[in-house]
Amino acid sequence: DGGITQSPKYLFRKEGQNVTLSCEQNLNHDAMYWYRQDPGQGLRLIYYSQIVNDFQKGDIAEGYSVSREKKESFPLTVTSAQKNPTAFYLCASSTAAGTDTQYFGPGTRLTVL
Amino acid sequence: KQEVTQIPAALSVPEGENLVLNCSFTDSAIYNLQWFRQDPGKGLTSLLLIQSSQREQTSGRLNASLDKSSGRSTLYIAASQPGDSATYLCAVGGADKLIFGTGTRLQVFP
Repeated sequence: DGGITQSPKYLFRKEGQNVTLSCEQNLNHDAMYWYRQDPGQGLRLIYYSQIVNDFQKGDIAEGYSVSREKKESFPLTVTSAQKNPTAFYLCASSTAAGTDTQYFGPGTRLTVL
Repeated sequence: KQEVTQIPAALSVPEGENLVLNCSFTDSAIYNLQWFRQDPGKGLTSLLLIQSSQREQTSGRLNASLDKSSGRSTLYIAASQPGDSATYLCAVGGADKLIFGTGTRLQVFP
């Protein structure tokens, strides 16, 4: 089956720890995205990548980092510099950035203890 | 800076009603407009994509329209069903990314 997978589904982090969220796609899409969703708010773009080995900051990149070493994978690291990391994180991909339908993974809910 | 607004924030209707969800945006220079559905605790599912050169798109009981000059899009749901209960988000497509509205939470009761 083609699609996007995210793991883990739930993640708990202690303050001061870095954690990495996984996102994998087998749709052969060039573009991948990370969003953050808080209760009652829309999605806010953290980082996006239009091609392997390249990525750009979104609207709320501070405290986050990404890599794009493979076309299929776009992991997101939430660092200790992110002051309020508790949120629902969504990964998406599309054939081309901006102009095509984005396909979303099931999300990872991160809670800071 | 593009801003996307959705009204109403929440809507509760009886089964069978036809309903309209609204989306407005401030910058008419868009590539496309997309409507998504999100069930609680889940990812987003794409419903319809309207290219900037198009006026509307239809899929089953769903019809989305786009009026770039007025900065508006509507999602029309015909003969609503309890299974339509979800949050509906619109997103405006720019050169390389989407800008999302905050969504309309829809509840359809039997």
